[in-house]
Amino acid sequence: RKEVEQDPGPFNVPEGATVAFNCTYSNSASQSFFWYRQDCRKEPKLLMSVYSSGNEDGRFTAQLNRASQYISLLIRDSKLSDSATYLCVVNMYSSASKIIFGSGTRLSIRP
Amino acid sequence: SQTIHQWPATLVQPVGSPLSLECTVEGTSNPNLYWYRQAAGRGLQLLFYSVGIGQISSEVPQNLSASRPQDRQFILSSKKLLLSDSGFYLCAWSVLGELFFGEGSRLTVL
Repeated sequence: RKEVEQDPGPFNVPEGATVAFNCTYSNSASQSFFWYRQDCRKEPKLLMSVYSSGNEDGRFTAQLNRASQYISLLIRDSKLSDSATYLCVVNMYSSASKIIFGSGTRLSIRP
Repeated sequence: SQTIHQWPATLVQPVGSPLSLECTVEGTSNPNLYWYRQAAGRGLQLLFYSVGIGQISSEVPQNLSASRPQDRQFILSSKKLLLSDSGFYLCAWSVLGELFFGEGSRLTVL
């Protein structure tokens, strides 16, 4: 089983739609979680951290479910500029700062 | 402020040739350092990470190696490149689990 699994998509949705991504992780001792965004042929950039209580940043909401070992990202009122690949990231402190990426979910927003 | 430099940005190498990618971080001490590789259309694969000078953890040994000769310097090497080594190589440093990436090195092995 992969340490971090993510639906590869692609997701193709109209502008204004709400879209959700999920990501599961295998190591229950994992300590911190993030969502990154990657544009074509660029390095990934941090979108948001994921906190146990859930957190929101504008149109983006991230949630963590430790019992089921998954994290989610919800994008509301999607914009054309949201088109990118979204990567979930898990920091496995139990393995001395080993940081693992999911395979990424491609999102395309159509006008 | 902290910055990370990675070079070269682009390189084309023949099969069997050696490789050296270098990464340096400025503005921080004792960072955790990482090398990732991204094949075309794929996710980021963790290759090596380091929590200190001379301390290297290998995830995908194969024909690649990494070294950390100084606190803020991380080097990725190969003695003989394979076609499958082509990809986008990213160096990163981390604080509290958040990663900060260099601009990447795009390697094409012919």
